Amino acid sequence: EVQLLESGGGLVQPGGSLRLSCAASGFTFSSYAMSWVRQAPGKGLEWVSGISASGTSTYYADSVKGRFTISRDNPKNTLYLQMNSLRVEDTALYHCAKGPRSSSWYNDYWGQGTLVTVSS
Amino acid sequence: DIQMTQSPSSLSASVGDRVTITCRASQGISNYLAWYQQKPGKAPKLLIYAASTLQSGVPSRFSGSGSGTDFTLTISSLQPEDVATYYCQRYNSAPRTFGGGTKVEIK
Repeated sequence: EVQLLESGGGLVQPGGSLRLSCAASGFTFSSYAMSWVRQAPGKGLEWVSGISASGTSTYYADSVKGRFTISRDNPKNTLYLQMNSLRVEDTALYHCAKGPRSSSWYNDYWGQGTLVTVSS
Repeated sequence: DIQMTQSPSSLSASVGDRVTITCRASQGISNYLAWYQQKPGKAPKLLIYAASTLQSGVPSRFSGSGSGTDFTLTISSLQPEDVATYYCQRYNSAPRTFGGGTKVEIK
């Protein structure tokens, strides 16, 4: 059974940093693209970032480019999102999601998310 | 960037009704379109990919169509368990933009 378990969320002040993690199990992690998608309270889904199976290709939304870094540790079956220079508008539930292939970019499995709150 | 526009933003229909949700891309995206269902307090669930391919385990009352810029998600006979918000997503290139969502309720 595919499982994706996010962690690392919390309350942080504007300008601060957080690192989110997503522990994957139930599939061969190193064979699949992965993504981060966020949802602000009461709002719709916003694609944030994606990474290829090997980790060599990364992609970002304009709203986070230069502030967020996606990475993965394939031997540890873990996806990361390093978030720096956080803004109030980054407040959201952050989901990690699995792609169906090594570099295919819709998402066939999703985690329940970890909540990030940016507030002073 | 390519924008994705969904309509309507919400709808109310009776059990058994045929429901149609549209998604329009600001530029052609071939068939690189997925549809997701999100129930309150839950993670999104993949319904359809490649515009018209039903994900395994999804009821056959859900169907998708379209190519290029105009896409449709159809629920052939609305059921109470279909109450949710539905999102389209393009995935041909980054950023993999979502539509704004369509909230479906039972009348």
